[in-house]
Amino acid sequence: RKEVEQDPGPFNVPEGATVAFNCTYSNSASQSFFWYRQDCRKEPKLLMSVYSSGNEDGRFTAQLNRASQYISLLIRDSKLSDSATYLCVVNGDGSGNTGKLIFGQGTTLQVKP
Amino acid sequence: NAGVTQTPKFQVLKTGQSMTLQCAQDMNHEYMSWYRQDPGMGLRLIHYSVGAGITDQGEVPNGYNVSRSTTEDFPLRLLSAAPSQTSVYFCASRGQGEAKNIQYFGAGTRLSVL
Repeated sequence: RKEVEQDPGPFNVPEGATVAFNCTYSNSASQSFFWYRQDCRKEPKLLMSVYSSGNEDGRFTAQLNRASQYISLLIRDSKLSDSATYLCVVNGDGSGNTGKLIFGQGTTLQVKP
Repeated sequence: NAGVTQTPKFQVLKTGQSMTLQCAQDMNHEYMSWYRQDPGMGLRLIHYSVGAGITDQGEVPNGYNVSRSTTEDFPLRLLSAAPSQTSVYFCASRGQGEAKNIQYFGAGTRLSVL
């Protein structure tokens, strides 16, 4: 079983749609969780951290369920510019300072006009 | 404000050749790492370093060497290139304190081994 698993998609949605991505992780000791965004042929960039109580950044909402070892990302009112691959990232060994980050394979989103 | 700089951006090698991918960061970050990205596989950790003089293996270290003689530089060496090493390579660095969880990536090196 992969340490971080995501549905690779692609998710094809119309502009204005709401779309949700899910991610599961296997190491219950993990303490830090993130969503990164990667545009085609570019490097990954941090989209947002994921906090236990859930957090929102504009149209983006991230949720964490520690009991189920599950992370989600909700995008409301999708824009064409949201088209990208979204990577679920987990701190691999529970150490916030020096732990390795484990990346899911990514979920591809294509927003259509 | 350079951030993480990787060179070269593109490289074609023949099987058996060796080369070094360069990575430098100007943010005084202690933590640096190398990943490879292949279709359907996501980013896989090759080697990482928690500070100058300290390196450790990641998930897929075979065929690669690293060293960390300075805080700024973290080169990745391919000892004898194989077609299976055709990939996109990303170097990344991470800071401490409030910024410790934000990982910054270089623009990537696209490597083809023939």
